[in-house]
Amino acid sequence: EVQVVESGGDLVQPGGSLRLSCEASGFTFKNYAMSWVRQAPGKGLEWVSSISGSGDVIYYADSVKGRFTVSRDTSNNALSLQMNSLTVDDAAVYFCVKMFTADWYAGFDYWGQGTLVTVSS
Amino acid sequence: QSVLTQPPSASGGQRTTISCSGSSSNIGNNYVYWYQQLPGAAPTLLIYKNNQRPSGVPDRFSGSKSGTSASLAISGLRSEDEADYYCAAWDDSLSGYVFGTGTKVTVL
Repeated sequence: EVQVVESGGDLVQPGGSLRLSCEASGFTFKNYAMSWVRQAPGKGLEWVSSISGSGDVIYYADSVKGRFTVSRDTSNNALSLQMNSLTVDDAAVYFCVKMFTADWYAGFDYWGQGTLVTVSS
Repeated sequence: QSVLTQPPSASGGQRTTISCSGSSSNIGNNYVYWYQQLPGAAPTLLIYKNNQRPSGVPDRFSGSKSGTSASLAISGLRSEDEADYYCAAWDDSLSGYVFGTGTKVTVL
């Protein structure tokens, strides 16, 4: 059974940093691209970042480029999102998502339950 | 920001259709995916590659694409279909994914 479980969400002050993690199981991790998608309270879905199965192709939304860094650890079947210089606009539930194939453009397949990031002073 | 346009709401007693309007850089040149988000839950895949249903998704749900627009049709509406629905596609110009604005479906 495919499972992706996010963790690391927390309350952080504006300008602060946070690292989200995602543990994957039930599939061969290195064969699939992974993404982060977020949803602010009461709002729609917003794509954040995608990383290919090999980890050599990475894309970011303009809204987070230069502040967020995605990475993957194939040996531990783990995906991470390092978030720096957080603003109130970054407050959201962050979903870890398995893609259909190793390619970053393959489409979102399986979603985790999400982890909540709150940005407030 | 959302680049794909959906109606904010849709309703019906038997059947409803949700539209998703984009451009040549997204829907016009790439696959469209549809997601269902039940209240308080994570999104789940409903339709992939324009019109393919994952195993377990009832055939009451169907997807189509024409040019720079796509549609999701739900027939035989049930109370459990009340949810938010989102379309998504890769955008070649933005080099990123874009989601639709979301449509809330109400079963009459």
